[in-house]
Amino acid sequence: DVKVTQSSRYLVKRTGEKVFLECVQDMDHENMFWYRQDPGLGLRLIYFSYDVKMKEKGDIPEGYSVSREKKERFSLILESASTNQTSMYLCASSSAFQGLAGRETQYFGPGTRLLVL
Amino acid sequence: GQQVMQIPQYQHVQEGEDFTTYCNSSTTLSNIQWYKQRPGGHPVFLIQLVKSGEVKKQKRLTFQFGEAKKNSSLHITATQTTDVGTYFCARRGAGNMLTFGGGTRLMVKP
Repeated sequence: DVKVTQSSRYLVKRTGEKVFLECVQDMDHENMFWYRQDPGLGLRLIYFSYDVKMKEKGDIPEGYSVSREKKERFSLILESASTNQTSMYLCASSSAFQGLAGRETQYFGPGTRLLVL
Repeated sequence: GQQVMQIPQYQHVQEGEDFTTYCNSSTTLSNIQWYKQRPGGHPVFLIQLVKSGEVKKQKRLTFQFGEAKKNSSLHITATQTTDVGTYFCARRGAGNMLTFGGGTRLMVKP
């Protein structure tokens, strides 16, 4: 089974702090994604990466950066946390191959609920 | 990006009643995926539809893709308390990027 783990389930930080959210997957997936989930807004893509050291902006990249130094690990960084970044953060991974049954899905981690005070 | 609209946002049903959530796009979709997120959990993939007019069933769940490939629906027959959660549709794009609908939160009264 695919396993996607996230470093923390719950996190409380203060405004202005630098925050690191870590995500690790064990399926040798090429693609990794960071979403935030807010009530009524569904899941919104922040950044994604399709290879080591590669990154692409998603729909809401402002205030965030990412790092992918190793294939299995994708980090989300909040350079200076703000209260409007209080949210649930979900990491996901998927294979780069398309058109093959079972390879097109995204596998999600358990999520990190971040509270910025 | 291309929007995927999902309705209703919430649905409260009595156990045993049916439930349907709808997903709509203003542009043609190459595919649609459905995910379920239990309360306190993370989204879990249910199914992908790719063909015009496609209908797939998983036990009490029926998934449809419209003939014009601009809409999709998920229908649950005779809901059970285990069906509680939020159901998301998502459009898969290049690089396996997903654009999610806002989700429909299903609550089931026993």
